[in-house]
Formats: sequence, structure tokens, C-alpha cells
Amino acid sequence: AQKVTQAQTEISVVEKEDVTLDCVYETRDTTYYLFWYKQPPSGELVFLIRRNSFDEQNEISGRYSWNFQKSTSSFNFTITASQVVDSAVYFCALNNQAGTALIFGKGTTLSVSS
Amino acid sequence: NAGVTQTPKFRVLKTGQSMTLLCAQDMNHEYMYWYRQDPGMGLRLIHYSVGEGTTAKGEVPDGYNVSRLKKQNFLLGLESAAPSQTSVYFCASRPPGLPYEQYFGPGTRLTVT
Repeated sequence: AQKVTQAQTEISVVEKEDVTLDCVYETRDTTYYLFWYKQPPSGELVFLIRRNSFDEQNEISGRYSWNFQKSTSSFNFTITASQVVDSAVYFCALNNQAGTALIFGKGTTLSVSS
Repeated sequence: NAGVTQTPKFRVLKTGQSMTLLCAQDMNHEYMYWYRQDPGMGLRLIHYSVGEGTTAKGEVPDGYNVSRLKKQNFLLGLESAAPSQTSVYFCASRPPGLPYEQYFGPGTRLTVT
């Protein structure tokens, strides 16, 4: 069965700290896609990144970076020098076997204080 | 482009009442989805559609029905609302092909008393 686990329910940091959000997935597929979404306090869901299983290169976008490791089935998300605006719920997701839907983790609530 | 819109934004129902949530998208996307979000549960898929006239069950379909009569609209119906259906409902859409990212609507907060 496919599954996404975000073991960290809540994380609190102080501004400028680096923080890593963990995502571990389970799938028997050899081709699959992983996603991260952000849900700020306003409630909307914002797409951050998509990564396919054949591309294990780490990705960096400004203060955000993603570490994809097939060997440990993890797709972790790091925010460098966190800011208050990073406070949100972050979801990791995996496409289902048919490629028709996403399986979401339960989310990690990040609180960044000034 | 309005993207994905949801109507209404908020609603309070009494147990046993019925209602329909409307999702509309103007991106000509084939795939559309309904999720519910509950505290500590993440997003759970209720129903989805891979094209006009098609629907399929997701993880938590019981108590809900859906229809996709037009490509741009995806309706979620509650025939007899229960307090367990108190939740935030999100609609999403995406183009066909690769598992592309889904585009989400702003959500509907439903309370059933």
C-alpha cells in the first residue's frame, strides 16, 4: 500500500533558524512523483515542488531546498534562515499507482517566531 | 483566470439537511478532486473525476455524492448531513498526463450541528 508519513506534527523555531521537515513515503512503483504543498494561515494550498523518482538531484529555490533520497524513501524539505512568513502547514504527497490522485501526509505545522 | 473557485465559502447545516458544494475551474483541466481536511488528518480524497461524465471514489466517499456534468464544474453533494461531516472541503483540478501538481480552490468551511 502507498503511504506518506510526516512524523513531525508541529515544529517551532525562532526566525533565522534552519528547519527541516521530514517526509517518508512507501510505494512499490518504480516511477512515481512526490510533491510538497504549503498551507499558510489564510488556508489556501500552494504548490511548492514536484519531483519524479528518476531525478535524485537536490533542488534549491531561494531559501528552500529539497533532499530526495530513494535509498531511504525520503523527500525532506529544508528552509534556511526561516522567517515568520514561513509559518504554515506543509504537506508532502505521493501520486497513487494509477497516477490519478495524490496521497497526502498528515502535514507538519511550522511556527516561526520573531 | 479565476483558477479554481468554490461556492459557498462557509455554511452551517443542521443534521439531516442536504446541500451541494460547487467547484468551478477555468483552466480546461480534465481532472478534478474533492478533499476534506480535518485536524491532524491531512487531506483525504473523497471523490475524483478524470473527465466530463466520469467520477470515482476516493478514500472517504461514504455520505457524499458527486457529479461532473460539465468539464469545468464538479459538484459535491451531502444528502443527509451528519456532524462527522464538519470539515473544510477543498476542490482541486489538474491537466491530464503526468501526475502534474493539483491546483486548489480556497476551501469551504462546513459545520454540521
